[in-house]
Amino acid sequence: DAGVIQSPRHEVTEMGQEVTLRCKPISGHNSLFWYRQTMMRGLELLIYFNNNVPIDDSGMPEDRFSAKMPNASFSTLKIQPSEPRDSAVYFCASSRSSTGELFFGEGSRLTVL
Amino acid sequence: DAKTTQPTSMDCAEGRAANLPCNHSTISGNEYVYWYRQIHSQGPQYIIHGLKNNETNEMASLIITEDRKSSTLILPHATLRDTAVYYCIVNGGSARQLTFGSGTQLTVLP
Repeated sequence: DAGVIQSPRHEVTEMGQEVTLRCKPISGHNSLFWYRQTMMRGLELLIYFNNNVPIDDSGMPEDRFSAKMPNASFSTLKIQPSEPRDSAVYFCASSRSSTGELFFGEGSRLTVL
Repeated sequence: DAKTTQPTSMDCAEGRAANLPCNHSTISGNEYVYWYRQIHSQGPQYIIHGLKNNETNEMASLIITEDRKSSTLILPHATLRDTAVYYCIVNGGSARQLTFGSGTQLTVLP
């Protein structure tokens, strides 16, 4: 299996621009998670989907952040407009429902200037 | 979820066993203990989990005390590639509740 695939691996953008991060979960996994990691705050869960439906988005920092999962094999995390404080590594993970065994992608490193 | 406490850092000699402790004194009966690790610049990697009994897989062993208030992750023969941050997580069995703390930075020394 190819594992969880994220793109882009690196993104540098200017404040105010729209950023879209993409994730392809492992085939057969029906839970998908977006995490954000910074030095100050560590790994934070942003949102969790089960069977393509958002279940818990309480970790999404504010309205500038949105996530979608149009089908079982694709998810996006969008930031509009982006701000320097959004600079972080964003991880996508997938799992079979109701297990704590998450498979993480390699992450997307976002730098907002 | 119950809170976990781990040492900030540990060193281990290459080839020796690495024993990483975790305290979770407020764990409840239906909560599992999960261990993940994160090698620098990579995504976290699942290692092992358990409820009451000790568990072993190809990566590590997990020893959970009888009162379940603490556990130890054992890497039997540490290699330089095991240098990473190790996270102990207590979780009620629902994947959405995986909350990562600060973890233990394990450094395997040559």
